[in-house]
Amino acid sequence: DGGITQSPKYLFRKEGQNVTLSCEQNLNHDAMYWYRQDPGQGLRLIYYSQIVNDFQKGDIAEGYSVSREKKESFPLTVTSAQKNPTAFYLCASSMSGPSTDTQYFGPGTRLTVL
Amino acid sequence: AQRVTQPEKLLSVFKGAPVELKCNYSYSGSPELFWYVQYSRQRLQLLLRHISRESIKGFTADLNKGETSFHLKKPFAQEEDSAMYYCALSGGSSYKLIFGSGTRLLVRP
Repeated sequence: DGGITQSPKYLFRKEGQNVTLSCEQNLNHDAMYWYRQDPGQGLRLIYYSQIVNDFQKGDIAEGYSVSREKKESFPLTVTSAQKNPTAFYLCASSMSGPSTDTQYFGPGTRLTVL
Repeated sequence: AQRVTQPEKLLSVFKGAPVELKCNYSYSGSPELFWYVQYSRQRLQLLLRHISRESIKGFTADLNKGETSFHLKKPFAQEEDSAMYYCALSGGSSYKLIFGSGTRLLVRP
């Protein structure tokens, strides 16, 4: 393990609050990704970034925002507009696209809305 | 639409028995197929990819374009194979990786 870190491990939020999940990698990877994992639904892509200062929406981007100001960091903000934010969030990175390079995953952050 | 289907949520076998985890996909072009695995208390990690045509930990998977399947097989299951397995698909130059819902493999002694 190592290479990709996510913090915090557990996060509790009150309804109406924005929260930011941290993702850092020291693998010198260009591409980074955020997934949401819900029971029985596998992983769904929220946002991805191919390179610094660039990112694209995934399949379930509504209610989320990201930034990619540094190569090593790809924070995810869960906004109050996200209807059902309680979930397990996984960050990943790869040298380039997933069709050619392995995605390496972080340990995840479990977000619970109270 | 691109889709990955894993029909079994749970697969339970005895140690030494053959294992086949099913994966079917829907994709109009030439996909890249992967199997990812998550062992208890560990991170999700790549197990194998079809372009490598390799065997990892005794597992193999063959891409069948006619049946649009990429089933994961192992002739003799071991207890340490117990984990959550995800089939995933990527299309060409796309940066998107589409995952199935996962199959939990339980290998009993």
